[in-house]
Amino acid sequence: AQKITQTQPGMFVQEKEAVTLDCTYDTSDPSYGLFWYKQPSSGEMIFLIYQGSYDQQNATEGRYSLNFQKARKSANLVISASQLGDSAMYFCAMREGLTNAGKSTFGDGTTLTVKP
Amino acid sequence: DVKVTQSSRYLVKRTGEKVFLECVQDMDHENMFWYRQDPGLGLRLIYFSYDVKMKEKGDIPEGYSVSREKKERFSLILESASTNQTSMYLCASSPPRGTGYTFGSGTRLTVV
Repeated sequence: AQKITQTQPGMFVQEKEAVTLDCTYDTSDPSYGLFWYKQPSSGEMIFLIYQGSYDQQNATEGRYSLNFQKARKSANLVISASQLGDSAMYFCAMREGLTNAGKSTFGDGTTLTVKP
Repeated sequence: DVKVTQSSRYLVKRTGEKVFLECVQDMDHENMFWYRQDPGLGLRLIYFSYDVKMKEKGDIPEGYSVSREKKERFSLILESASTNQTSMYLCASSPPRGTGYTFGSGTRLTVV
C-alpha cells in the first residue's frame, strides 16, 4: 500500500494567490513526522516544512503552512501569495517512528506552475 | 555555503563498469541516505546509514552497495553498472530524529 499519496500530478496558480497541495499518508505508528520538499528545475531538493505527529499546532514557515488533519491522515501544504519562483515540483514525505534512523518515504510529487 | 556535496553532477559510464558515487556532508549529521529518482516512480531509498560503518538496505538495494568509513562521507557503489541504473541519484543527510533532510545537488548517471 502506498504510504504517501499525492493526487495532484500538476497544479496551476495565479501569481499572488494561495494554493493548496494535497498529501495523504498511511501509517499505524503513533509517532511519525511529515515533511514537504521543493525541487526546482535545477534538481536540488529543498526542505520546506516539518510537522510532528504529536504537534498540537499546524507548522508554519514564512509563506508555507502545513494543514495537518490527523484523523483524516492528511498533511496539505499551503503556499500563500504565490511567486513565480515557487514553480517547482513539491514532494510530501513521511518518517515513521522515532528510532528508525530517520528514513523517509516520499510521494510521487506535484508539479506547481505559477502563472504571471 | 554548500553542506552536502556530491562529487559529480553528470556521469556517463559503460555497462559493466564499477561506479562510485561520492557524497560528503559538513554538518556532522549521523544519518545519510542514497535515493534514486526516476520519472513516474518518485524517490526510492537505496541504502542508508545511521552511524559510521553502519548501513541498512532501503527499498531497492539490488545491484548497489555502500561504504561509510567516516562520518562525513557516504559512498554508493554500483558493482557492475547496467542500463537500468541510469537515473538521478540523490544523497541526503539529517541529524537523528531531526527535521528535514539536507540534499546534495544530485548526480545524473547515464549507463550506456
